[in-house]
Amino acid sequence: EPEVTQTPSHQVTQMGQEVILRCVPISNHLYFYWYRQILGQKVEFLVSFYNNEISEKSEIFDDQFSVERPDGSNFTLKIRSTKLEDSAMYFCASAPGGGGYQETQYFGPGTRLLVL
Amino acid sequence: GEDVEQSLFLSVREGDSSVINCTYTDSSSTYLYWYKQEPGAGLQLLTYIFSNMDMKQDQRLTVLLNKKDKHLSLRIADTQTGDSAIYFCAENSGNTPLVFGKGTRLSVIA
Repeated sequence: EPEVTQTPSHQVTQMGQEVILRCVPISNHLYFYWYRQILGQKVEFLVSFYNNEISEKSEIFDDQFSVERPDGSNFTLKIRSTKLEDSAMYFCASAPGGGGYQETQYFGPGTRLLVL
Repeated sequence: GEDVEQSLFLSVREGDSSVINCTYTDSSSTYLYWYKQEPGAGLQLLTYIFSNMDMKQDQRLTVLLNKKDKHLSLRIADTQTGDSAIYFCAENSGNTPLVFGKGTRLSVIA
């Protein structure tokens, strides 16, 4: 069964460093998302991406964050200058699009980011 | 803004039924979901229900939706130790971002 994959599974970085989190959505899906989950907290929406552009973003997704779909398969989240409070599990999700059950979002296993 | 609330903990004995409850505030919610998260793992889609449905059954899982009260429940029949996990209720309207509850930690006692 097709699934969303994410790399790396864990990332440790120093405060102020740039990180790039990578995702390979399910093939033929059209909608892509990044969410994050700070330890013990709710899963929070960061950004959605459709038709090669951001379709919606939350207040969390400030100028330090960017997303890109550099080729037909990868979907990346970049944090330019990491802060301690960026430490969280980052989830990528994709959805087929097309209405009805095709709106369902499928999640990857997550990347656990630790900023020291 | 939209909000989704769940009780934080539930403990059941193996073989019993588990019922996990969720309430939401957004009356325009079209889709409601249950995701399962095992320790250290990602979010696994368990089941979903459209707002024009009252009930959906899928093997051991039964989802009930009371749209008037904005109440969603997930019943797991014959709960097994492998069902121990955090269960997240989530809602959206089409391709909009999912709004999640804090999750209910289900502990199954052998």
